[in-house]
Amino acid sequence: DIQMTQSPSTLSASVGDRVTITCRASQSISSWLAWYQQKPGKAPKLLIYKASSLESGVPSRFSGSGSGTEFTLTISSLQPDDFATYYCQQYNSYPLTFGGGTKVDIK
Amino acid sequence: QVQLVESGGGVVQPGGSLRLSCAASGFTLSSYVMHWVRQAPGKGLEWVAFIRYDGSNKYYADSVKGRFTISRDNSKNTLYLQMNSLRAEDTAVYYCATSVVTNTGAYFQHWGQGTLVTVSS
Repeated sequence: DIQMTQSPSTLSASVGDRVTITCRASQSISSWLAWYQQKPGKAPKLLIYKASSLESGVPSRFSGSGSGTEFTLTISSLQPDDFATYYCQQYNSYPLTFGGGTKVDIK
Repeated sequence: QVQLVESGGGVVQPGGSLRLSCAASGFTLSSYVMHWVRQAPGKGLEWVAFIRYDGSNKYYADSVKGRFTISRDNSKNTLYLQMNSLRAEDTAVYYCATSVVTNTGAYFQHWGQGTLVTVSS
C-alpha cells in the first residue's frame, strides 16, 4: 500500500497569511493526487485533482503542485472560511489512501 | 444538483450486522463508479470499497474484506454497504461518494453527509 504523510499535522496562521501544506508519498504516484478540505461535522470537499488542477468553483487562492513523491497545497491568502482540516489522497493505485490531515487553525 | 443521502447507521453490538444505504438524486447513479469512505471519530479518512457502474466489479480495503459487501440498485438510484461481523474498530462516520475514474484509480467528487456507525456492547 502507498503511505501518504502530511506535514505539519497542525498549522496556526492568521487571515491573509500564505499557507503551505506538504504531502509525501511512500513511492512515486506521478501526478495522481487530490486535495480535500473538511470542516467539523461536514463531509470533505474536493479542492484539487491531478496534483494541480483546480476543481470547478474552488477559489483561485488554492493551488497545488508537485509530482512523483512530494506535493504541496498552497493557500495564497488565508481567508476566515479556510480554517479547516486538509487531506491529500493518492489515486495511483488501490487501495486508495489518504494523508493523516493538516488542521489549519487561527493563530 | 448532485445529492447523496446516507442512512442506516446506528449502534450495534460487536459481531452484529448493519446495512447502510446511500440515496442519490440530481444525477443518474449508473453513470458513476461509487465508493464508501469512513472516518473514525477524531481520525482521518479511510477508503472502504468501490463498485463499478453496473456492479460487475467490486474492490475492498483489506480491513473490511470478507465482512463488508458493497452493492447498488441503479433502478432505485441507491448504493448499499452490508456490514457483517462488526468490530469496535469499524466505529466511524461512513460516507458514500461519487468518483472520477482514471486509468489508475479514482478521486472523490461528491460526498454525502455521512452516517455514524457505533459498534459497542
